[in-house]
Amino acid sequence: GQQVMQIPQYQHVQEGEDFTTYCNSSTTLSNIQWYKQRPGGHPVFLIQLVKSGEVKKQKRLTFQFGEAKKNSSLHITATQTTDVGTYFCAGKPNAGKSTFGDGTTLTVKP
Amino acid sequence: GAGVSQSPSNKVTEKGKDVELRCDPISGHTALYWYRQSLGQGLEFLIYFQGNSAPDKSGLPSDRFSAERTGGSVSTLTIQRTQQEDSAVYLCASSEHRGGIAEAFFGQGTRLTVV
Repeated sequence: GQQVMQIPQYQHVQEGEDFTTYCNSSTTLSNIQWYKQRPGGHPVFLIQLVKSGEVKKQKRLTFQFGEAKKNSSLHITATQTTDVGTYFCAGKPNAGKSTFGDGTTLTVKP
Repeated sequence: GAGVSQSPSNKVTEKGKDVELRCDPISGHTALYWYRQSLGQGLEFLIYFQGNSAPDKSGLPSDRFSAERTGGSVSTLTIQRTQQEDSAVYLCASSEHRGGIAEAFFGQGTRLTVV
């Protein structure tokens, strides 16, 4: 079945440093979504990417979808303590359910 | 309702007892997912309902786990003869394709503790 791998599992950064998490699917995706889960909270939708090579930005967050629609990345510029949490990608094939990656947990040292 | 509602929010049960967890999805959402999340871990897929199609049960860890979705709306996840390793937060999510976006809305989860 479809597998979605996400790396790294953990990332510790100093406030102000950049952060990137990567997501790779074993199959071509129809779309990929990114979610953020704050400590003690539930996952909250951030964005959906659909087009090959698509790049979207939300303030300091940049999301990319690979040309082959099998990988994606989330990059945070100049991290802040409010960025802490676990970032999940969820890949959806043309048919069937979305599959979540295992998440990347970001901690930010002030 | 305004969002996905799960009940109870917390459940403590004795080993060997059965438990039922409930999920009220957002009205009109045809897709419903159940996930399990242990402390500090990722989302473990359990089961997926999509409209009237047969559910995808491929994530259920054992035959002690079952789920149903009545009338395409409310879903219950049942765990029989609970074991300590079943302790986790059980999350429900629903989604619907609108304008090409299929955002999944998560409930607050049910924290299950088996003692």
